[in-house]
Amino acid sequence: DQQVKQNSPSLSVQEGRISILNCDYTNSMFDYFLWYKKYPAEGPTFLISISSIKDKNEDGRFTVFLNKSAKHLSLHIVPSQPGDSAVYFCAASAHGGATNKLIFGTGTLLAVQP
Amino acid sequence: DVKVTQSSRYLVKRTGEKVFLECVQDMDHENMFWYRQDPGLGLRLIYFSYDVKMKEKGDIPEGYSVSREKKERFSLILESASTNQTSMYLCASSTTEDRVYTGELFFGEGSRLTVL
Repeated sequence: DQQVKQNSPSLSVQEGRISILNCDYTNSMFDYFLWYKKYPAEGPTFLISISSIKDKNEDGRFTVFLNKSAKHLSLHIVPSQPGDSAVYFCAASAHGGATNKLIFGTGTLLAVQP
Repeated sequence: DVKVTQSSRYLVKRTGEKVFLECVQDMDHENMFWYRQDPGLGLRLIYFSYDVKMKEKGDIPEGYSVSREKKERFSLILESASTNQTSMYLCASSTTEDRVYTGELFFGEGSRLTVL
């Protein structure tokens, strides 16, 4: 059973426009959410996170929105740049565990066209 | 600069061989993880460890074992490799010290294993 879902396997956006990547989760115990970015042949790198006590977190061009009632979060990238082309993974965890065990989604491949 | 190092970037093994994937981190993190990444399936947790000599099963532990004899090293073992274990294997580490909970994992660059 997939607890974290990214229903769009791919997304194509023009340079300078907004990219919106979506993620849904089913486990109401999740209280911390993260986005990772992965280039081919490299390990994922942390991008941005949000705690369940917030509904928005912003870091430069990246903003994550959390809608707890809908169990939905999204990552907005504005403006999109060709270097943003990568696979983006949404991840979630339940705080209180000592191990930071993360459950990942299946990923969305973002292609930013020049 | 923090670093998680995986010993082999690319491996080719034959069915039935024993395979060792090694991972070392230099951040003194107490938690270490092994994931595998497959197209359409994302990252799935195989095993994790929150302390030396401690290990816990993740979501897909079948066919794998792990070893954590030292804090900085976490090994993934395929006792008898099979073709369905062809995958990208990713090691990661994290810390929860000082009650600082970021949830962030630091990943290695991955080991691409092909089992023929």
